[in-house]
Formats: sequence, structure tokens, C-alpha cells
Amino acid sequence: DAGVIQSPRHEVTEMGQEVTLRCKPISGHNSLFWYRQTMMRGLELLIYFNNNVPIDDSGMPEDRFSAKMPNASFSTLKIQPSEPRDSAVYFCASTYGGSGYNEQFFGPGTRLTVL
Amino acid sequence: GQQVMQIPQYQHVQEGEDFTTYCNSSTTLSNIQWYKQRPGGHPVFLIQLVKSGEVKKQKRLTFQFGEAKKNSSLHITATQTTDVGTYFCYDSGGSNYKLTFGKGTLLTVNP
Repeated sequence: DAGVIQSPRHEVTEMGQEVTLRCKPISGHNSLFWYRQTMMRGLELLIYFNNNVPIDDSGMPEDRFSAKMPNASFSTLKIQPSEPRDSAVYFCASTYGGSGYNEQFFGPGTRLTVL
Repeated sequence: GQQVMQIPQYQHVQEGEDFTTYCNSSTTLSNIQWYKQRPGGHPVFLIQLVKSGEVKKQKRLTFQFGEAKKNSSLHITATQTTDVGTYFCYDSGGSNYKLTFGKGTLLTVNP
């Protein structure tokens, strides 16, 4: 298995632009997580899907952030408009089963820089 | 929401010294997972503890879950340069579905 796949690996954009991050979970996994990591705030859970349904989106910072999971093999995290404070590494992780009881498999991350 | 506090935030050791990081909560933890993230990498699962007082070992790594399920520790014996990275504890939050990572402990090892 290729593991969790994220694209792009690096993204540099200007303030105000729309950014779309993509994730392909491991085949057979039915839970997907989006995290944001910064030095100041550590690893923060943004949103968690189970069977393609958002279960907890309380970590989504504000309305500029949105996430979708149209099918079991694809998810997107969109920021519109982007701001410099959104600069961070965004990780996608997947697992099988509900909640976080099973080990999570992380993708390599997308390093986002907003100028 | 429930918080897991991890200490210390940073730890620098000489190669061969031992290292311990602690994860504490004011409320009962459902289960604890530990992850390691190498510099520039992504978190990788190490182990899961479920039972009160549980102890698990992986070579030089020893993981413990407190009797009251409010704390956990990761101990590394005789550190090596390959142990460098950030160690995170993670609480699945049980029925609250509040999934919480600790802030992590960054371990650096001087060869």
C-alpha cells in the first residue's frame, strides 16, 4: 500500500488566494483526519470524518476553512481566502473504525506558506 | 475540552543517557497512544495503552499507563541519535470524540 497520499507537498501562495489541499487515505480506512501543525500551537485537529461524514469540525478555525470528503478515497481542505497566519504544515491521517481508538496513519504533510 | 499536558517540552541528553516524557490529564483518559515525529517528518504510531497500570516494552522503549488512567509515560533507556524527534501522546477522548494530542516533547541527543 502506498500509505496516505497528500498533495501538493509544498504550496506557496499570496494572501487572499484560494488554497486546496488534497488527501487520499489508505484503502479500506473509513476515518479521516485533517491536522494543522505549527510551532506555537502544536498538532491541532481541524476536522474528523467517519464514513465520509464530518463528525467533529470544532477545530476548524473559521469560515475561511472548509473540508469535504465526497467519497471514501478522497478528501480536500480548502482555505479561501488564505492569510499569512494560515502558514503551517497540514497533515491528513486515516484509520479504520470510528473515533480515534485505532492507530492513525499520517501522510507526509503539505507545507503551506502564505505570503 | 479535555487537555493532555506533556512535560517536558524539550529535553537534551547525551547519547547513552535515559529519557522520560510524561503525559498528564485532569480527567480519566480513555486510551493513550504514543507517536514519534522525526524532524521534517510526520507522526508515526508507536504504541497504544488501554488498561489501567499497563506496561509495554519495545526494545529500549517502555510505556506505562497510570493506575488511575490519568497519566502515562514513555521512557527510553540508553538513548541513541536515532531517537531524536518529537514524542506525542494522544487521547482518543472516548465517547466525547474529543481527539487530543499533547504538545509533544522534543528530544535531542548529543553524540
